[in-house]
Amino acid sequence: RKEVEQDPGPFNVPEGATVAFNCTYSNSASQSFFWYRQDCRKEPKLLMSVYSSGNEDGRFTAQLNRASQYISLLIRDSKLSDSATYLCVVNMGGTYKYIFGTGTRLKVLA
Amino acid sequence: NAGVTQTPKFRVLKTGQSMTLLCAQDMNHEYMYWYRQDPGMGLRLIHYSVGEGTTAKGEVPDGYNVSRLKKQNFLLGLESAAPSQTSVYFCASRDYRQGFYNEQFFGPGTRLTVL
Repeated sequence: RKEVEQDPGPFNVPEGATVAFNCTYSNSASQSFFWYRQDCRKEPKLLMSVYSSGNEDGRFTAQLNRASQYISLLIRDSKLSDSATYLCVVNMGGTYKYIFGTGTRLKVLA
Repeated sequence: NAGVTQTPKFRVLKTGQSMTLLCAQDMNHEYMYWYRQDPGMGLRLIHYSVGEGTTAKGEVPDGYNVSRLKKQNFLLGLESAAPSQTSVYFCASRDYRQGFYNEQFFGPGTRLTVL
């Protein structure tokens, strides 16, 4: 089993739609969680950190479910500019090691 | 404030040639990383460094060497390139603050093709 698993997609959604991605992790000792966005042929950039209480940033909401060992990302009112690959990243807490998922590809259609 | 920069951006090598990739960061970060990204796979850690003069192996270190002689620079070397090393290479850095939510900052990547 992979340490961090994501549905690769692609998720094709119309503009204005709401879309959600999940990411599961296998190590219950994982401490911190992130969603990164990666545009085609570019470097990953932090979208959101995922806190235990959940957090929201504009149209984006991230949730953590420790009991079931998954994190989620919800995007409301999708824009064309949201088209990208979304990477789930898990850190063991204070250590050097970050585990990356393979990414979920989102295409927002006009 | 340039963040993390990488040189070169693109390179084509022949099998057996050597090269060095340079990563530089101006954020005074302690930790630096080298990853490779291949289709269908997540970023995989090649080597990392927790401070000037220190390096350690990551998940896929074979065929690569690194050096961190200055805090702001992290070099990745390929001594004898192989086609299996065709990939996109990303450098990243992060701060060494206590706490769990330390963001990694990435460079723009180096696209390497080995023929």
